Formats: sequence, structure tokens, C-alpha cells
Amino acid sequence: GAVVSQHPSWVICKSGTSVKIECRSLDFQATTMFWYRQFPKQSLMLMATSNEGSKATYEQGVEKDKFLINHASLTLSTLTVTSAHPEDSSFYICSARGNRDGKYNEQFFGPGTRLTVL
Amino acid sequence: KNEVEQSPQNLTAQEGEFITINCSYSVGISALHWLQQHPGGGIVSLFMLSSGKKKHGRLIATINIQEKHSSLHITASHPRDSAVYICAVRFCPGTASKLTFGTGTRLQVTL
Repeated sequence: GAVVSQHPSWVICKSGTSVKIECRSLDFQATTMFWYRQFPKQSLMLMATSNEGSKATYEQGVEKDKFLINHASLTLSTLTVTSAHPEDSSFYICSARGNRDGKYNEQFFGPGTRLTVL
Repeated sequence: KNEVEQSPQNLTAQEGEFITINCSYSVGISALHWLQQHPGGGIVSLFMLSSGKKKHGRLIATINIQEKHSSLHITASHPRDSAVYICAVRFCPGTASKLTFGTGTRLQVTL
């Protein structure tokens, strides 16, 4: 079964609103969580890496004030797209890395959240 | 430059066929992932490998560290296997480095 969940799975919002996406590790503690975005027919692009209790590290070209990441616990990270615009429409995927079932540092992916900004 | 190459880019097979997807990388790695992405978008982690071979159901993943190459095999393929298969590697020095993704192999299995 799934080990990383995301909520919501899809969201449609008006331009200018903020959208929060949650990512949870279901049966393990995720020391590190990653946020990716994916445009149609393209590969995943890493946006930021976050470790529990510390500030996220953003990739070059990703606006930290636009994409707010909070990793408040070992099982939950959130991505907030602030003042969303149509160009932010994309598929956002989180990934969690930790120790699970005796496997060290394995990385699991969430099912993704499709954001459409009108 | 740290690179990941997959082949083929597109693959069409008939139900029941044995399928192989290849992944090559440029320098030493600490781990290699095989991922499956269905048309709806969700990603499923199939395997994480650092050496040898792993099997899960009809799926087999192998890695040859010396040749810097990994293969994903699907036995007795089925239309529900139709998806994009992505190879992703973590280049050395170790677990702190981020994943580098291949461009994916789009598999279509027909009846």
C-alpha cells in the first residue's frame, strides 16, 4: 500500500489565491522530504528539500516566498503556493526519505497533486 | 557531468511479451530507483537498488555497478503495465545528494 500520501489530489483555484498541499509519510518517519513539480511530458524537477525542524533548501530559480514549505514533524510537510497564477498550474509531487522496514534511507513518492489555476 | 540515460524512449509490446528497459549512468552512484508513473500522474516506487537484483511479482530489476547500467524487466506483460517507467539515481558521494532522473520510457502494452 501507499507509504506517502498527498492531499488534495487535485485542486482548481482562482488566480491570486493561495493553495496548501499536504504530504504525509504513513508508516515511517521521514527525515527528509522533497517537493517536485512536473510539466506535461517532462521529467520531475526538484523544487526544494526540507529536513524536519529546519528551513527548506530551494533549488536555483525557485522562489522561496512563492512556494512556502513547512516540515513541522517527521511525518508531515506542506507546500503552500502563494498568490497562485495560471503559470503555477502543474503537477506537484512530494517524496519522503527515511528508514522503513529495516531499509535505510529509502525514498518514496506521493501520488501527486494536480493544481489548476484559472 | 552526472547524467542518466534511458532506452528505449518509447516501447510498444503485445500482451505476454517479455520487456526490458535500460538505464545507464555516467559516474558512481549510491542508489538507483525504478519508478512507475501512470497516465493519471501518480508515481509508484518499484525498486531501490545499490547492487545485485531484486524481484517483485512480474518485475525484476538488476544493476551492474561496474558497467554503470541497470535493467528493469517485466515478464508476461499486461495492458495494465502501460505507464512511463523512470530511472532515478543518487550520485556519490552519498545519501545527501539529490536524485537525478532519466527522461523515462513510455510503455504501451496492447492486447
